[in-house]
Order: sequence, then C-alpha cells, then structure tokens
Amino acid sequence: DADVTQTPRNRITKTGKRIMLECSQTKGHDRMYWYRQDPGLGLRLIYYSFDVKDINKGEISDGYSVSRQAQAKFSLSLESAIPNQTALYFCATSDRGFDNQPQHFGDGTRLSIL
Amino acid sequence: AQKITQTQPGMFVQEKEAVTLDCTYDTSDPSYGLFWYKQPSSGEMIFLIYQGSYDQQNATEGRYSLNFQKARKSANLVISASQLGDSAMYFCAMREGQDDKIIFGKGTRLHILP
Repeated sequence: DADVTQTPRNRITKTGKRIMLECSQTKGHDRMYWYRQDPGLGLRLIYYSFDVKDINKGEISDGYSVSRQAQAKFSLSLESAIPNQTALYFCATSDRGFDNQPQHFGDGTRLSIL
Repeated sequence: AQKITQTQPGMFVQEKEAVTLDCTYDTSDPSYGLFWYKQPSSGEMIFLIYQGSYDQQNATEGRYSLNFQKARKSANLVISASQLGDSAMYFCAMREGQDDKIIFGKGTRLHILP
C-alpha cells in the first residue's frame, strides 16, 4: 500500500462545483502539504500544515481551503471550481527535524474543470 | 526573483551518454538543502538525491551525483550512463533554514534517445 494516498486519482467536474481532494498518510509524519503542478511552472505550494492545529498559506492559496482532520489526513477544497484550477495536484508529507529527508509525495490527482 | 532556476526546459541525449541537468539557487540563509526529483510520464514524484549546504562532499546515489558548487550557488544533477528509463521531467528544489517549505524549479524535460 502507498504511504501517501490521494483520492480521487482523476476528477472531471464543472465550473462552480465544490470539490474536495483527500490525502491520507501512513508514514506518521507531522507535516503535510498541498501543491499544484501546471505545465512549465513546476510545483507551487498551496497550503501546508505542521500539525493538526496548524494551517499555513502557501504561494497560491486563493480559491482553496484546507482541513487537517487528523495527523494522517489533510484535505484540499475548491469551494467554487473555475477552469484555471485545472491542474495536477499533489499531497506530500515530511518528518519534523530531519533536514536531509525529502518530502514524500502521493501519486497525484488530475483535476479538470470544464 | 526565482529562488530555483532550471535553464534547460528540454534536453535530448543519446543513450549511455552522461547527462548534466543545471540548477542554480538563490538564498541568503547559510543553512539549506537541495533536492532533485524525477517525474516520469506516469506522474509520480520520485526523490533522487539530497545535498546539504554544510556537506563537505558532493552527494552520490548510484548513477546520480550532484555537482555542488556553493560559491556559484549551483547544484547540477549528473546522470551517468543514461538509460531510456531516465526519460522524464526532473525538478530541482530547495529547503531554506528551519523552514520546511520546499521550493521547486520549473523543471527540465529529459529525453533519452536510443
């Protein structure tokens, strides 16, 4: 089983719909992140959380919200989806205090807003 | 200003040749870490190699090595004896100081030719 699981893997929806992307992890990491990837732009940070009571905005948080329901779960919501939110979304985790440890990524969610 | 710059949007390399993927970074923090990730066409993010700012030696992991030139603020990835399976997008990323956010470059798409 994957250490970082994203659901759904693919989603097509219409403009104006509310969408939730979910992420769960079995790595026991405190820190969780949401990124979006667009062609030619790399990965950009949307929100991140260092523990259950901690939520921080990233580079591009407008139009998104998050919820850290438990240490293992971090969900991303698009309250009213718009076409320019069509992208590949990644959840990632990392362990506190280990500088040389990379972030561990889920397999991504391909989201298309029509 | 970009913190991570990857100047090669795309590269074509003959199989079995060595490849160097360029990455320059910008930080005033003396403590930082540099990462390289591989993203094959299937989309997942695969961690390749890490270099810490205080590491005395260049990092190596199998066929991957990191040419770390601190004064030039460059952290180029070298892939020796390239294989067809190395065809992918490659991202350079940086973590600054105690901040656990990781900033990504825009990536280089590598094509290995048979």
